[in-house]
Amino acid sequence: GESVGLHLPTLSVQEGDNSIINCAYSNSASDYFIWYKQESGKGPQFIIDIRSNMDKRQGQRVTVLLNKTVKHLSLQIAATQPGDSAVYFCAENRLPGGGNKLTFGTGTQLKVEL
Amino acid sequence: KAGVTQTPRYLIKTRGQQVTLSCSPISGHRSVSWYQQTPGQGLQFLFEYFSETQRNKGNFPGRFSGRQFSNSRSEMNVSTLELGDSALYLCASSLGGSMTDTQYFGPGTRLTVL
Repeated sequence: GESVGLHLPTLSVQEGDNSIINCAYSNSASDYFIWYKQESGKGPQFIIDIRSNMDKRQGQRVTVLLNKTVKHLSLQIAATQPGDSAVYFCAENRLPGGGNKLTFGTGTQLKVEL
Repeated sequence: KAGVTQTPRYLIKTRGQQVTLSCSPISGHRSVSWYQQTPGQGLQFLFEYFSETQRNKGNFPGRFSGRQFSNSRSEMNVSTLELGDSALYLCASSLGGSMTDTQYFGPGTRLTVL
């Protein structure tokens, strides 16, 4: 039979508005968090990261906020552009001993309306 | 600097066959990780290789295996293919020395099992 896909939350914003994409993580021991953007037909593209000893980190048009108390991560995109339309994933690394083993969230589809 | 490359980009196989996918990391990167992306399960970690050794492993059956060569290129193999193995297989490379090293993804290999 037909496989059931993950229901991706969708965020629709007007061009020029700010976007906020949220992510909840489960492991309080996670040390490192990353946001990726995936456009159709492409692999995930690194946007910004944050260590657990930080609350906020800013990049070009993007800001990541980390709330360890409620295990919540958010990505803010300023002045959203049509090129920002994509699926956004948060990911965490649960290996403080080293290595790369990212655990990804289910993703959020961002749609930018002209 | 050239990005992560994966070959082939598309592959069609039948149940019971085996398949080998290839990944060439960014020059100087020593860590290569593999992920499976499906509509039903999202992005899931398969394994990571660093300096020709498997450093981390996800929760996949033994039919999924990989290796890394001295030039850091990596291959993954799936034996006795099942319909459920149809997915986008993504490879990511990083410098590898730290868990906070950025992982850069390739475009993926789209595997279809008939």
